Amino acid sequence: DQQVKQNSPSLSVQEGRISILNCDYTNSMFDYFLWYKKYPAEGPTFLISISSIKDKNEDGRFTVFLNKSAKHLSLHIVPSQPGDSAVYFCAASQYSGAGSYQLTFGKGTKLSVIP
Amino acid sequence: SAVISQKPSRDICQRGTSLTIQCQVDSQVTMMFWYRQQPGQSLTLIATANQGSEATYESGFVIDKFPISRPNLTFSTLTVSNMSPEDSSIYLCSVRDNINQPQHFGDGTRLSIL
Repeated sequence: DQQVKQNSPSLSVQEGRISILNCDYTNSMFDYFLWYKKYPAEGPTFLISISSIKDKNEDGRFTVFLNKSAKHLSLHIVPSQPGDSAVYFCAASQYSGAGSYQLTFGKGTKLSVIP
Repeated sequence: SAVISQKPSRDICQRGTSLTIQCQVDSQVTMMFWYRQQPGQSLTLIATANQGSEATYESGFVIDKFPISRPNLTFSTLTVSNMSPEDSSIYLCSVRDNINQPQHFGDGTRLSIL
C-alpha cells in the first residue's frame, strides 16, 4: 500500500511559467513533509520542507503548500527555469521510535521545463 | 550539509556474487540509512545503520541478504549478497545529523546483475 502518491509521472512547463507538482498521502501520522530534486546519476537533493503545523513554506522560487484535511501537498516553482528540469520526489516523515524519523517517498514526477 | 561519498558509483556483477558498497561522510553524523530505488519505483528504506551495533532492518529486508556495518560515525558499508537480477537497483546512502534536519543523500550506486 503506497502511503505517499505522486500521480503525475511527468509534467512539461514552459520556461517562465509556474510548475505545480502534487503529492497525496494516506497516513495521518505524518508530521513533516519534504521535497527532493534528483538529476540523472546524482542522489536526491533536499529542496524544501514543511511541518504539519504550517500550511505554507516559501524559499525563493519554491513554495510548498500543505492541506492537512485533504492530505495533500504541492510544490510551486515560479518562475520555472530549464535548470529545474529533474525528477521531484515528495517524502513524508513520521516518528518511528527510539528518536528516529522514517521517510516514506513517492515515486517521483519528472519535470521538463521547455525553453 | 554533509558531503557523502559512495563507492562504487556503478557496477555490473554476475548472479550469485556479492558486492560491498561504501559510504563515507566528511563529518560525524548521528543517523545513517541505506535505501534502494528499483527501476520506476520510489526510494525504499532497507535499514538504519547503527554505530557499534546491528542494523535495524525494514520489513522485507534481512541481514543475511543485506549485511551492514557501521564501525564509526562517518562510515558505513552495505553488502548485497548472492545477487540475482532482481537486485538490479540504485542503492543510496543517506545521513541525518538530528531530527530537526532533513536527510541528505549520496549519489548512489547503480548496480546491474547479469
